[in-house]
Amino acid sequence: SAVISQKPSRDICQRGTSLTIQCQVDSQVTMMFWYRQQPGQSLTLIATANQGSEATYESGFVIDKFPISRPNLTFSTLTVSNMSPEDSSIYLCSVRKINPGGGEAFFGQGTRLTVV
Amino acid sequence: TQLLEQSPQFLSIQEGENLTVYCNSSSVFSSLQWYRQEPGEGPVLLVTVVTGGEVKKLKRLTFQFGDARKDSSLHITAAQPGDTGLYLCAGDEYGNKLVFGAGTILRVKS
Repeated sequence: SAVISQKPSRDICQRGTSLTIQCQVDSQVTMMFWYRQQPGQSLTLIATANQGSEATYESGFVIDKFPISRPNLTFSTLTVSNMSPEDSSIYLCSVRKINPGGGEAFFGQGTRLTVV
Repeated sequence: TQLLEQSPQFLSIQEGENLTVYCNSSSVFSSLQWYRQEPGEGPVLLVTVVTGGEVKKLKRLTFQFGDARKDSSLHITAAQPGDTGLYLCAGDEYGNKLVFGAGTILRVKS
Protein backbone atom coordinates (compact mmCIF):
# COMPACT_ATOMS: atom_id res chain seq x y z
CA SER A 1 0.00 0.00 0.00
CA ALA A 2 0.95 3.66 -0.04
CA VAL A 3 0.00 6.48 2.29
CA ILE A 4 -0.16 9.91 0.70
CA SER A 5 -0.05 13.15 2.60
CA GLN A 6 -1.32 16.11 0.62
CA LYS A 7 -1.12 19.71 1.77
CA PRO A 8 -2.95 22.02 2.07
CA SER A 9 -6.29 20.26 2.44
CA ARG A 10 -8.12 23.40 1.36
CA ASP A 11 -7.44 27.01 0.53
CA ILE A 12 -9.23 30.13 -0.60
CA CYS A 13 -7.09 32.23 -2.93
CA GLN A 14 -7.33 35.56 -4.71
CA ARG A 15 -7.46 35.53 -8.48
CA GLY A 16 -4.11 36.19 -10.11
CA THR A 17 -2.14 34.50 -7.35
CA SER A 18 -0.52 31.04 -7.34
CA LEU A 19 -0.86 28.07 -5.00
CA THR A 20 1.57 25.18 -4.59
CA ILE A 21 0.21 21.83 -3.47
CA GLN A 22 2.53 19.30 -1.91
CA CYS A 23 2.31 15.51 -2.12
CA GLN A 24 4.42 13.26 0.12
CA VAL A 25 4.35 9.46 -0.20
CA ASP A 26 5.51 7.08 2.51
CA SER A 27 7.41 4.87 0.04
CA GLN A 28 9.28 5.22 -3.22
CA VAL A 29 7.01 5.03 -6.25
CA THR A 30 7.74 5.31 -9.92
CA MET A 31 4.39 6.55 -11.13
CA MET A 32 2.87 9.72 -9.66
CA PHE A 33 -0.03 11.64 -11.12
CA TRP A 34 -1.99 14.84 -10.55
CA TYR A 35 -5.76 14.94 -11.11
CA ARG A 36 -8.47 17.57 -10.99
CA GLN A 37 -12.00 16.78 -9.86
CA GLN A 38 -15.20 18.76 -9.52
CA PRO A 39 -17.19 17.58 -6.46
CA GLY A 40 -19.19 14.47 -7.28
CA GLN A 41 -17.67 14.14 -10.72
CA SER A 42 -14.95 12.17 -12.44
CA LEU A 43 -11.22 12.65 -12.24
CA THR A 44 -9.40 14.44 -15.03
CA LEU A 45 -5.70 13.69 -15.37
CA ILE A 46 -3.59 16.84 -15.46
CA ALA A 47 -0.14 15.30 -15.82
CA THR A 48 2.22 12.50 -14.94
CA ALA A 49 5.00 13.70 -12.65
CA ASN A 50 8.31 12.23 -13.79
CA GLN A 51 11.28 12.01 -11.47
CA GLY A 52 14.28 13.78 -12.92
CA SER A 53 12.54 15.07 -16.04
CA GLU A 54 9.72 17.32 -17.12
CA ALA A 55 6.17 16.24 -16.36
CA THR A 56 4.02 14.79 -19.13
CA TYR A 57 0.88 16.89 -19.57
CA GLU A 58 -2.50 15.78 -20.87
CA SER A 59 -4.32 17.62 -23.60
CA GLY A 60 -5.66 20.94 -22.33
CA PHE A 61 -3.07 21.34 -19.58
CA VAL A 62 0.21 23.24 -19.98
CA ILE A 63 3.35 23.62 -17.94
CA ASP A 64 3.08 27.39 -17.63
CA LYS A 65 -0.27 27.07 -15.90
CA PHE A 66 0.44 23.91 -13.87
CA PRO A 67 4.18 23.60 -13.23
CA ILE A 68 5.08 20.32 -11.53
CA SER A 69 8.20 19.34 -9.64
CA ARG A 70 9.31 15.79 -8.80
CA PRO A 71 12.70 16.03 -7.07
CA ASN A 72 12.65 12.41 -5.81
CA LEU A 73 10.56 9.24 -5.76
CA THR A 74 8.52 10.23 -2.70
CA PHE A 75 7.62 13.88 -3.27
CA SER A 76 5.97 16.11 -5.84
CA THR A 77 4.41 19.55 -6.04
CA LEU A 78 1.76 21.00 -8.33
CA THR A 79 1.46 24.75 -8.70
CA VAL A 80 -1.72 26.36 -9.96
CA SER A 81 -0.51 29.63 -11.47
CA ASN A 82 -2.26 32.93 -12.13
CA MET A 83 -5.48 31.53 -10.74
CA SER A 84 -8.96 32.40 -11.93
CA PRO A 85 -12.34 31.27 -10.54
CA GLU A 86 -12.40 28.53 -13.20
CA ASP A 87 -9.49 26.87 -11.39
CA SER A 88 -11.70 26.26 -8.36
CA SER A 89 -11.69 22.49 -7.98
CA ILE A 90 -10.34 19.59 -5.98
CA TYR A 91 -6.77 18.63 -6.87
CA LEU A 92 -5.65 15.07 -6.11
CA CYS A 93 -2.23 13.48 -6.02
CA SER A 94 -2.07 9.80 -6.91
CA VAL A 95 0.52 7.04 -7.14
CA ARG A 96 0.35 3.61 -8.71
CA LYS A 97 2.10 0.46 -7.71
CA ILE A 98 2.17 -1.81 -10.72
CA ASN A 99 1.79 -5.57 -10.36
CA PRO A 100 0.89 -8.38 -12.79
CA GLY A 101 -2.80 -7.84 -11.97
CA GLY A 102 -2.78 -4.21 -12.96
CA GLY A 103 -1.80 -2.09 -10.01
CA GLU A 104 -3.83 -0.19 -7.47
CA ALA A 105 -3.90 3.60 -7.48
CA PHE A 106 -3.63 5.37 -4.14
CA PHE A 107 -4.86 8.91 -3.65
CA GLY A 108 -4.27 11.75 -1.30
CA GLN A 109 -7.24 13.32 0.42
CA GLY A 110 -7.22 16.13 -2.08
CA THR A 111 -6.83 19.91 -1.95
CA ARG A 112 -10.08 21.84 -2.25
CA LEU A 113 -9.22 25.11 -3.95
CA THR A 114 -11.58 28.07 -4.13
CA VAL A 115 -10.51 31.10 -6.18
CA VAL A 116 -12.32 34.34 -5.46
CA THR B 1 -6.69 8.16 -24.60
CA GLN B 2 -9.51 5.66 -24.46
CA LEU B 3 -12.93 6.71 -23.16
CA LEU B 4 -15.13 5.03 -20.56
CA GLU B 5 -18.85 5.66 -20.40
CA GLN B 6 -20.38 5.11 -16.99
CA SER B 7 -24.08 5.01 -16.16
CA PRO B 8 -26.22 6.00 -14.46
CA GLN B 9 -24.77 9.28 -13.23
CA PHE B 10 -26.99 9.36 -10.17
CA LEU B 11 -28.96 6.78 -8.21
CA SER B 12 -31.17 7.39 -5.22
CA ILE B 13 -32.64 4.21 -3.76
CA GLN B 14 -34.16 2.85 -0.58
CA GLU B 15 -32.24 0.63 1.79
CA GLY B 16 -32.58 -3.01 0.77
CA GLU B 17 -32.92 -2.38 -2.97
CA ASN B 18 -30.54 -3.75 -5.58
CA LEU B 19 -28.70 -1.71 -8.19
CA THR B 20 -26.31 -2.05 -11.08
CA VAL B 21 -23.77 0.43 -12.42
CA TYR B 22 -22.38 0.03 -15.92
CA CYS B 23 -19.08 0.97 -17.48
CA ASN B 24 -18.60 0.67 -21.25
CA SER B 25 -15.93 1.40 -23.80
CA SER B 26 -15.28 0.71 -27.46
CA SER B 27 -11.66 -0.08 -26.58
CA VAL B 28 -10.00 -2.96 -24.80
CA PHE B 29 -8.37 -2.42 -21.42
CA SER B 30 -5.73 -4.63 -19.80
CA SER B 31 -7.75 -4.45 -16.60
CA LEU B 32 -10.58 -2.49 -15.10
CA GLN B 33 -10.83 -1.16 -11.59
CA TRP B 34 -13.70 0.07 -9.44
CA TYR B 35 -13.20 2.77 -6.83
CA ARG B 36 -15.45 4.27 -4.18
CA GLN B 37 -15.00 7.83 -2.97
CA GLU B 38 -16.53 9.58 0.01
CA PRO B 39 -16.68 13.38 0.40
CA GLY B 40 -13.37 14.88 1.46
CA GLU B 41 -11.44 11.72 0.68
CA GLY B 42 -9.59 10.29 -2.30
CA PRO B 43 -10.97 7.28 -4.18
CA VAL B 44 -10.31 3.87 -2.64
CA LEU B 45 -9.94 0.71 -4.70
CA LEU B 46 -12.75 -1.85 -4.40
CA VAL B 47 -11.64 -4.41 -6.96
CA THR B 48 -9.56 -5.05 -10.08
CA VAL B 49 -10.83 -7.36 -12.83
CA VAL B 50 -8.31 -8.62 -15.33
CA THR B 51 -9.65 -11.63 -17.24
CA GLY B 52 -12.47 -11.42 -19.79
CA GLY B 53 -15.63 -12.89 -18.27
CA GLU B 54 -14.27 -12.62 -14.75
CA VAL B 55 -16.69 -12.26 -11.84
CA LYS B 56 -15.55 -11.10 -8.42
CA LYS B 57 -17.60 -10.80 -5.27
CA LEU B 58 -16.93 -8.53 -2.33
CA LYS B 59 -19.65 -9.17 0.28
CA ARG B 60 -22.80 -7.65 -1.29
CA LEU B 61 -20.91 -6.26 -4.29
CA THR B 62 -20.50 -8.29 -7.50
CA PHE B 63 -18.19 -7.12 -10.26
CA GLN B 64 -18.13 -8.46 -13.81
CA PHE B 65 -15.67 -7.89 -16.64
CA GLY B 66 -17.03 -8.39 -20.13
CA ASP B 67 -15.71 -11.23 -22.26
CA ALA B 68 -14.07 -8.76 -24.65
CA ARG B 69 -12.59 -6.69 -21.79
CA LYS B 70 -14.42 -3.56 -22.98
CA ASP B 71 -17.14 -3.30 -20.35
CA SER B 72 -17.82 -3.97 -16.70
CA SER B 73 -20.63 -3.81 -14.20
CA LEU B 74 -20.99 -3.38 -10.48
CA HIS B 75 -24.05 -4.90 -8.81
CA ILE B 76 -24.96 -4.16 -5.21
CA THR B 77 -27.44 -6.42 -3.46
CA ALA B 78 -29.57 -5.11 -0.60
CA ALA B 79 -27.96 -1.68 -0.55
CA GLN B 80 -27.20 -0.11 2.82
CA PRO B 81 -26.85 3.59 3.75
CA GLY B 82 -23.14 2.90 4.23
CA ASP B 83 -22.88 2.17 0.50
CA THR B 84 -23.58 5.83 -0.23
CA GLY B 85 -20.77 7.46 -2.18
CA LEU B 86 -19.29 8.14 -5.59
CA TYR B 87 -18.44 4.99 -7.56
CA LEU B 88 -15.83 5.27 -10.31
CA CYS B 89 -14.74 2.74 -12.88
CA ALA B 90 -11.23 3.10 -14.27
CA GLY B 91 -9.67 1.40 -17.26
CA ASP B 92 -5.99 0.55 -17.23
CA GLU B 93 -4.13 1.69 -20.34
CA TYR B 94 -1.72 -1.21 -20.16
CA GLY B 95 -0.01 -0.41 -16.89
CA ASN B 96 0.34 3.31 -17.37
CA LYS B 97 -2.48 5.78 -16.90
CA LEU B 98 -5.93 5.08 -15.56
CA VAL B 99 -8.89 6.38 -17.55
CA PHE B 100 -11.83 7.16 -15.28
CA GLY B 101 -15.52 6.96 -16.07
CA ALA B 102 -17.84 9.87 -15.30
CA GLY B 103 -18.79 8.41 -11.93
CA THR B 104 -22.05 7.32 -10.32
CA ILE B 105 -23.33 9.11 -7.23
CA LEU B 106 -25.19 6.57 -5.11
CA ARG B 107 -27.46 7.64 -2.30
CA VAL B 108 -29.08 4.95 -0.18
CA LYS B 109 -31.89 6.19 2.02
CA SER B 110 -32.83 4.45 5.26
